[in-house]
This record gives sequence, C-alpha cells and structure tokens, in this order.
Amino acid sequence: GIQVEQSPPDLILQEGANSTLRCNFSDSVNNLQWFHQNPWGQLINLFYIPSGTKQNGRLSATTVATERYSLLYISSSQTTDSGVYFCAVPDNYGQNFVFGPGTRLSVLP
Amino acid sequence: DGGITQSPKYLFRKEGQNVTLSCEQNLNHDAMYWYRQDPGQGLRLIYYSQIVNDFQKGDIAEGYSVSREKKESFPLTVTSAQKNPTAFYLCASSRGQGWTEAFFGQGTRLTVV
Repeated sequence: GIQVEQSPPDLILQEGANSTLRCNFSDSVNNLQWFHQNPWGQLINLFYIPSGTKQNGRLSATTVATERYSLLYISSSQTTDSGVYFCAVPDNYGQNFVFGPGTRLSVLP
Repeated sequence: DGGITQSPKYLFRKEGQNVTLSCEQNLNHDAMYWYRQDPGQGLRLIYYSQIVNDFQKGDIAEGYSVSREKKESFPLTVTSAQKNPTAFYLCASSRGQGWTEAFFGQGTRLTVV
C-alpha cells in the first residue's frame, strides 16, 4: 500500500522563527490533508490540498502531486503552534486515509 | 453546531470487560472511521464504514467490533480479546471515500486498570 513519510520527526524552534515540514508519499494521490494535533489530542484540520498552494494566516501549504510531496510552512511561530503535525492521503483504493508518522514541533517562548 | 462527537472523553475499564466508545456525527457524511493512537505514535486504522450496514476491517481490527445501523453513528466496542487496549481512540468522518476531506472528533482516552 501507499507509504507516507514525514520529516523532520522532531523540531524545536524559538518563538518567531519560521519552519518547513515535509510529507512524502509513495504513490500518486488525489487528496492530501494536513492536521495539527493539539496537546489535548484533538486533530485540527489545517489544509485540504490535493495540489497547488493554499494559505491561511501564518500557515501555508504546497503540494506537488507529480513529485509526490507536500510542504507545510509555518511563519512567525507561536507557542500555540506546538504539537504534532500529520499529513494524510487516501489509500490505494480511496477507501480510507493513511497517515504519516508526524512531526513533533516544540515552540519555545 | 455541526461536527463529530465522541464520548466519553476518558474511560477506565477493568481487564476482561468489553467497553463501547460512542461516535456521532451530524455532518451528513457517508463515511466514518476509527483510528487508534498509542503514545508518541501515529494513527492506525481499526475499522471504517462507507455506507450504513456495511463496514470493513482496517489494519488492526483484531479485538474490536463495530456497527453502522444509522448514518450518524459508528460505535466501537473494545472486547476482552484486545490484548493491549489502553490507547487514544479517534473517530473521523468524510463526505465520501478517501478523496474527500476528513474531520475528527475529540477522541476517547481508554485506560485498562
């Protein structure tokens, strides 16, 4: 089945810094989502981005489907950005979602 | 408000007991999913359902059971056959199959005591 990798696994930033998180996937997809898991465990939808670029405030995402990767940019990071960031894609049959292992972000004050 | 509601938020179970986790959605979504997350790990698929009265096993279905009698509801039963049930359980729904946007509930944290 489709494989999803994320890098880096861990990232520590000072408040105000910028960061780029990467998601690689092994097969072509027609859907990709980025989530933020907050300290209470809830998964918050960030982007639904099969291709192209989207922006939402300090966050933006780019998916290059032909090259099988997506990038999540966080600018001017805040302590509330801390948590785990997951990307997810449909499985090969489009029946459910396959998650990457996540990037754990810690933003220090 | 539209969304997905999981209950309870925290659940304690004695070894050997079955326990049922609730998941309800009012988004009129056809598809629903259950994932398990262990500490510091990613999400693994337990079961999913694309339509009422039909569901499929995911990667780690052993020791779990589900039902889908109503479109809005997809309860998960953790049976005594599940050898290591302590985990965080997340329910999700999407409008259709895997190419539509998925939304998650707040999760249920199950602890076996």
